[in-house]
Amino acid sequence: SQTIHQWPATLVQPVGSPLSLECTVEGTSNPNLYWYRQAAGRGLQLLFYSVGIGQISSEVPQNLSASRPQDRQFILSSKKLLLSDSGFYLCAWSEGRGRQPQHFGDGTRLSIL
Amino acid sequence: AQKITQTQPGMFVQEKEAVTLDCTYDTSDQSYGLFWYKQPSSGEMIFLIYQGSYDEQNATEGRYSLNFQKARKSANLVISASQLGDSAMYFCACLRSGGSYIPTFGRGTSLIVHP
Repeated sequence: SQTIHQWPATLVQPVGSPLSLECTVEGTSNPNLYWYRQAAGRGLQLLFYSVGIGQISSEVPQNLSASRPQDRQFILSSKKLLLSDSGFYLCAWSEGRGRQPQHFGDGTRLSIL
Repeated sequence: AQKITQTQPGMFVQEKEAVTLDCTYDTSDQSYGLFWYKQPSSGEMIFLIYQGSYDEQNATEGRYSLNFQKARKSANLVISASQLGDSAMYFCACLRSGGSYIPTFGRGTSLIVHP
């Protein structure tokens, strides 16, 4: 069966520090991969998605970036965090074809001080 | 562009009763899929149920069923015999066919189940 791992679960970082959140998927190949951010009590905001290695699409201009160095690995990064980057970050995957549901990781709660 | 509307920001239900969470969608596509997700307070998003636009029967998954009314563009989630563990945020989403990989999510409905 397929599983998705996202870490860390919680992160507290100072303003201006770098960020690296990692997400890996097991049990499937060539998945679509997604990074979402969710502000407290709000809906999901799509940040990045990828349909293949090295293929990254950005939905919202920001100081974050994403990379997909391997088929089942998706990384969210920042060189310098802002206070506004605080939030709950969710990684998700879906099958590459058809109308397939997304499957989410457990999320990372990021607090910027 | 697609749009998902969840008009109920919060809902309350007594344990063991049924509850309906509303979702209306706006799409010009003929082929699409509708999804419901549950997000407990711990944060993870859990896929609950799927309905295809060409499916003639309403989808069911255990205590969850989807009341799909295509002409009205509604896809309401019905939870039967509510349990305390059903307390969570619920999100409706739509994904069109034809190469799009990005679902459109509603803003969610908070459900609280009272004992």
